[in-house]
Amino acid sequence: EDQVTQSPEALRLQEGESSSLNCSYTVSGLRGLFWYRQDPGKGPEFLFTLYSAGEEKEKERLKATLTKKESFLHITAPKPEDSATYLCAVRPSNEIQGAQKLVFGQGTRLTINP
Amino acid sequence: GAGVSQSPSNKVTEKGKDVELRCDPISGHTALYWYRQSLGQGLEFLIYFQGNSAPDKSGLPSDRFSAERTGGSVSTLTIQRTQQEDSAVYLCASSPFGQPQHFGDGTRLSIL
Repeated sequence: EDQVTQSPEALRLQEGESSSLNCSYTVSGLRGLFWYRQDPGKGPEFLFTLYSAGEEKEKERLKATLTKKESFLHITAPKPEDSATYLCAVRPSNEIQGAQKLVFGQGTRLTINP
Repeated sequence: GAGVSQSPSNKVTEKGKDVELRCDPISGHTALYWYRQSLGQGLEFLIYFQGNSAPDKSGLPSDRFSAERTGGSVSTLTIQRTQQEDSAVYLCASSPFGQPQHFGDGTRLSIL
């Protein structure tokens, strides 16, 4: 069964304190790993797609990396506006051709204190 | 440009009633998805549309749930004879073929 596990469940940091969020997965053939940000009362906002081990993507203070078993979302010198829940999802390959059904983790709730 | 639009944003109804949730995808997006997010749970896939066809309905939890899409655009998710366990946020997403999904802000459904 395809599974995504995120850790920690919640993380509190001081402004400027860098850290990493983890997403480990078991999937029958990976056709993409996705990171989303979700603010309270809003839908998930797309951040990154990673397709192969060793790939990295960056956007402002965020950098996502991928290995064969897990992905990390590194947050460098975060600001209070980076506070949100960060969701990881995988697209398995054993699915209908052309579909992008995503399997999500439970998310990491990140709080950045000023 | 306009994002994915869902209506209503909130819906409160009594157990046993039917409800309809609407999704207007981003113009030109051929793929449309419905997910459910329950309190303390991750997002759970319900159904996928490509155009007006639904090749993957594997996530629909029971035959009380159905969905349709017309004109390759608007989609409606219908829940018949609602139960308290149906209470959740229902999220719609759309994408061009083979591209990342973009989500609406969801409909928060509460069953009394």
